[in-house]
Amino acid sequence: GNSVTQMEGPVTLSEEAFLTINCTYTATGYPSLFWYVQYPGEGLQLLLKATKADDKGSNKGFEATYRKETTSFHLEKGSVQVSDSAVYFCALRAAEYGNKLVFGAGTILRVKS
Amino acid sequence: DARVTQTPRHKVTEMGQEVTMRCQPILGHNTVFWYRQTMMQGLELLAYFRNRAPLDDSGMPKDRFSAEMPDATLATLKIQPSEPRDSAVYFCASGSTTFSNEQFFGPGTRLTVL
Repeated sequence: GNSVTQMEGPVTLSEEAFLTINCTYTATGYPSLFWYVQYPGEGLQLLLKATKADDKGSNKGFEATYRKETTSFHLEKGSVQVSDSAVYFCALRAAEYGNKLVFGAGTILRVKS
Repeated sequence: DARVTQTPRHKVTEMGQEVTMRCQPILGHNTVFWYRQTMMQGLELLAYFRNRAPLDDSGMPKDRFSAEMPDATLATLKIQPSEPRDSAVYFCASGSTTFSNEQFFGPGTRLTVL
C-alpha cells in the first residue's frame, strides 16, 4: 500500500471557507510528519511539521495534529484565501524508509474569490 | 536570503541529446536530493547525497541517468540519451543533518524532450 495517502483533488473552495485536506500514513514506530506547499511555478516549501504523537504543527493559519491512533495528519485552515491556491503535499520521514522524505500524491487546492 | 538555485529553469531538447541540470545547494548544507515531478507519477526521489557521497540512487534509471557532486557547491543530474518520457520538472533540494533536517527545494528545471 501507499506510505502516505492524501485525499484526491482538486479541492475547490470559496474564500473564507474552512479547509480540510486528509492525510493518512503507514509506518511502524514514530515517523516525523510534514506538510509541504507548492505554489504555481515554484518548488516545494515546508508549511508545517510534527515530530511526535499529539504534536500540533502550525504556520500561516494552517494546522495539523499528529494522531498516532488514527495514523493521520490532516491539514486544516479556518478561513482560506485566494493566495492559498496551491498544491499541498503530505510527507513522512521514518527509519524504515531510509530516513528519506516519502511524499503523498499531492492535493490541488483552488480558492475562488 | 539563502536559496537553492537550479539551472536552467527551462530546457527543450530533442530525443537522443544529452541534458545536464545543475543545482547549487544552500551554503553549509551537507545533503542534496534530486526529485522528478510528473502528473502521472507525482514526486519521485531519484538520488540522495550526503557529504557529496551518493547514499541512494535506487530511484534513478541507471542506463541513462547519472548524478554527481563534483564539489560541495554543485550537484549535477545528467540524462544521456534523453527520451520523451523524461519530460518532467526536476527539483533539487538541500538540507543539513546537523540542524532540522528540513529540505529546502529549488525552483526546478522544466525539461521537455521532443
